[in-house]
Amino acid sequence: DIQMTQSPSSMSASLGDTVTINCLASQDIGNYLSWYQQKPGKSPKLMIYGATNLEDGVPSRFSGSRSGSDYSLTINSLGYDDEGIYHCHQYYEYPLTFGSGTKLEIK
Amino acid sequence: QVQLKETGPDLVQLTQTLSITCTVSGFSLTTYNVHWVRQPPGKGLEWMGAMWNGGGTDYNSAFKSRLSISRDTSKSQVFLKMNSLQTDDTAKYFCARQDNIGTTLDYWGQGVMVTVSS
Repeated sequence: DIQMTQSPSSMSASLGDTVTINCLASQDIGNYLSWYQQKPGKSPKLMIYGATNLEDGVPSRFSGSRSGSDYSLTINSLGYDDEGIYHCHQYYEYPLTFGSGTKLEIK
Repeated sequence: QVQLKETGPDLVQLTQTLSITCTVSGFSLTTYNVHWVRQPPGKGLEWMGAMWNGGGTDYNSAFKSRLSISRDTSKSQVFLKMNSLQTDDTAKYFCARQDNIGTTLDYWGQGVMVTVSS
C-alpha cells in the first residue's frame, strides 16, 4: 500500500498568515493527489485535485504544488473559516490511502 | 444537485453485522462509482471499498472477507455490510462519489457514526 506521510500533525497560525501543509508519498503517484478540508462533525470537502488544480468554488488563496514525491497545500491570507483538518489523498493506486491529517487552528 | 446520504444504526453489538445504506441523488450509479470510507473518532480516513459503475466491486484487503458492497440501481442505493464487528470498527462511515477510476472522490455524504458496543 502507498503510505502518505503528512506533516505537521497540527499547527496554529494567525489571521492573514500563510501556511503550508506537506505530504510525502512512499512511491510515485504522479499528480494523483488531492487535498480535503474537514470541519468538525462534517464530511471532507474537496479543495485541490490533480496535485495543483483548484476545485470549483474554492478560493484562490488555496494552492497545491508538487516536487517529486513531496506535495504541498498552501493557504494564503488565512481567515477564520480556514480552521479545520486537512487531509491529503492519493488515488493513483488501490487501496486508496490518505494522510493522517493536519489540524489547523487560527489564533 | 449531487447528494449522498448514509443511513444506518447508531449502535451495533460486538461480533454482529453492520448494514449501512447510501442513497444518492443528482447522478446515476451506472455512470459514477461510489466508495466507502471510514474515520474512527479523532483519527484519519480509511478507504474500505468501492462499487463500480458497471456493477463490480473492489475491497481493501484490510477488511478481508468481512466486507460486502452491493447496490440497487432502481433505488439509487449502495449498501455496505460488514460482519464480525469489533470495538475498533467504531467510526464514522462515509460514502463518496467518484467520476471514473482515475479521478478523486469529489462529493461525500454527511456520514453516519456507528459505535460498536460490548
